[in-house]
Amino acid sequence: AQRVTQPEKLLSVFKGAPVELKCNYSYSGSPELFWYVQYSRQRLQLLLRHISRESIKGFTADLNKGETSFHLKKPFAQEEDSAMYYCALLSGSARQLTFGSGTQLTVLP
Amino acid sequence: DGGITQSPKYLFRKEGQNVTLSCEQNLNHDAMYWYRQDPGQGLRLIYYSQIVNDFQKGDIAEGYSVSREKKESFPLTVTSAQKNPTAFYLCASSSSPGSRGELFFGEGSRLTVL
Repeated sequence: AQRVTQPEKLLSVFKGAPVELKCNYSYSGSPELFWYVQYSRQRLQLLLRHISRESIKGFTADLNKGETSFHLKKPFAQEEDSAMYYCALLSGSARQLTFGSGTQLTVLP
Repeated sequence: DGGITQSPKYLFRKEGQNVTLSCEQNLNHDAMYWYRQDPGQGLRLIYYSQIVNDFQKGDIAEGYSVSREKKESFPLTVTSAQKNPTAFYLCASSSSPGSRGELFFGEGSRLTVL
């Protein structure tokens, strides 16, 4: 069965510091991975997907199949990055999303 | 304004009562989903529907029921059989099942059982 693990419930960094939110997955097939973000008082929304190899709001994430990881990174954190971040895996014939438990990121001034 | 509307935002229920949460979308999406969000556990899939008049159980369907009589609507009933119903419930939709992984979420409904 598929599984997504986010080991850090809470993560705090100072503004301007690099940030890395960890995500590991377990899946027997070819993984499709995503990061979702929920800012305070806003809806949960898609941040980026690995297949697009895109950088959104300065965030990037690289799929590492050897380490079964999909860590989210940003070189210089901003206060507006403070939010709850969820890693998600698309799997199965029904193509469902399985979410990790989330990491609450706080960027301190 | 297109999107997903969930109602009510807050709901209180006595033990032993069924309660129905509404989810409506005007995005013309085929697929709709219900997730439960608990602190420290992330989002867990309750039910999903890929097309009208069809739905499947997710990972934690016990004690819940759904219907999909219209494309726009996917109501969730939390029955008295659900042992721990107090939670935050999120409805989502996508243009097609999987849909490159992009789900659009509602604002959620918080259910408290007294």
